Amino acid sequence: EPEVTQTPSHQVTQMGQEVILRCVPISNHLYFYWYRQILGQKVEFLVSFYNNEISEKSEIFDDQFSVERPDGSNFTLKIRSTKLEDSAMYFCASSLGAFFGQGTRLTVV
Amino acid sequence: EDKVVQSPLSLVVHEGDTVTLNCSYEVTNFRSLLWYKQEKKAPTFLFMLTSSGIEKKSGRLSSILDKKELFSILNITATQTGDSAIYLCAGIIQGAQKLVFGQGTRLTINP
Repeated sequence: EPEVTQTPSHQVTQMGQEVILRCVPISNHLYFYWYRQILGQKVEFLVSFYNNEISEKSEIFDDQFSVERPDGSNFTLKIRSTKLEDSAMYFCASSLGAFFGQGTRLTVV
Repeated sequence: EDKVVQSPLSLVVHEGDTVTLNCSYEVTNFRSLLWYKQEKKAPTFLFMLTSSGIEKKSGRLSSILDKKELFSILNITATQTGDSAIYLCAGIIQGAQKLVFGQGTRLTINP
């Protein structure tokens, strides 16, 4: 069965550091998404990506965040200067949410 | 603002019981509603509902959408301990590429 793969599964970083979260979406899907879930809270939409461009983004997705598809297979989420409140599970998804990756738990200390 | 609200937030039942989880939505230009099961990490897709009144079934799970009253229910019959999880519903907005999630219902099945 096709699956969305995310790495790393857990990342600990110091406040102010840059992090890159990686995702390998299902190969023939066209739309990719990032969501986050702060512990105990609801899943929140961050950004959707289509044809190498951002299709839609939420208010959370400010200038500290960026996405790209550097090599046609990987799909990355970069947080430029992490804050404590960025600590969350970050999920990559494709096909409008039919397929979610296992998530990356980001802990900012 | 688009909103999805689930109830109850938490439910504890005994194995073998039947449960009904609720999801109501206020979503502009609503297109579809999705149900997920979230155990440890990623949400696992269960159902997508687009048409009103048509029940979708998968084993002991079933779901239906009411677009007039703006809600959906997820039923689980003959519950098992493996059904313990957080159940999420999410709305899809027509023409948008994003899901709006509810806060989830934490279901605990005791043996």
